[in-house]
Amino acid sequence: DTEVTQTPKHLVMGMTNKKSLKCEQHMGHRAMYWYKQKAKKPPELMFVYSYEKLSINESVPSRFSPECPNSSLLNLHLHALQPEDSALYLCASSHEERPGDEQFFGPGTRLTVL
Amino acid sequence: AQSVTQPDIHITVSEGASLELRCNYSYGATPYLFWYVQSPGQGLQLLLKYFSGDTLVQGIKGFEAEFKRSQSSFNLRKPSVHWSDAAEYFCAVGAAGGSYIPTFGRGTSLIVHP
Repeated sequence: DTEVTQTPKHLVMGMTNKKSLKCEQHMGHRAMYWYKQKAKKPPELMFVYSYEKLSINESVPSRFSPECPNSSLLNLHLHALQPEDSALYLCASSHEERPGDEQFFGPGTRLTVL
Repeated sequence: AQSVTQPDIHITVSEGASLELRCNYSYGATPYLFWYVQSPGQGLQLLLKYFSGDTLVQGIKGFEAEFKRSQSSFNLRKPSVHWSDAAEYFCAVGAAGGSYIPTFGRGTSLIVHP
């Protein structure tokens, strides 16, 4: 299984809602990533988990809260988002957090904040 | 810190024509270099990567890239483009030491005319 799955595919939420994005991989990878991608832009790194511990937080606002319950799962909890947070949220995984390791990306969750 | 430049925002080619997408990087040592492809509404897929060895790298879907240290370039090529190659292409550079934060170029949108 060389797939990273993400749910839901699409999410529409109001600014007062609380929602979560989920990501799952069964490749035995020990590094997992959240990226944010606006239209016609490259992915922007948000968080990196390595061996289920948060290793990188790219100064992301606290309304985004990541969680890694186990080595296969990665969540992104959303609360009090702003319309400018609307974007494609991509999850990725790699064997480890090393420069040469290939990242496998999920299809993303298209988030719209009203 | 590393950086990567993709000078072309859009490239238009006819089906069957050859393709070259440009990528220039800035990094003090030999970097890890990647090319990813993203179809509309999808995640990123790795086409190929380079760190050392043969400077001509073969990838999936008939793509190849050549590393030229003297020009700090890692251009992507394909001899004959298919309509299904229409997508966004991202060049990325990874650091060879220290904390790994992949840096993506802004992307090149490939348009294929029948």
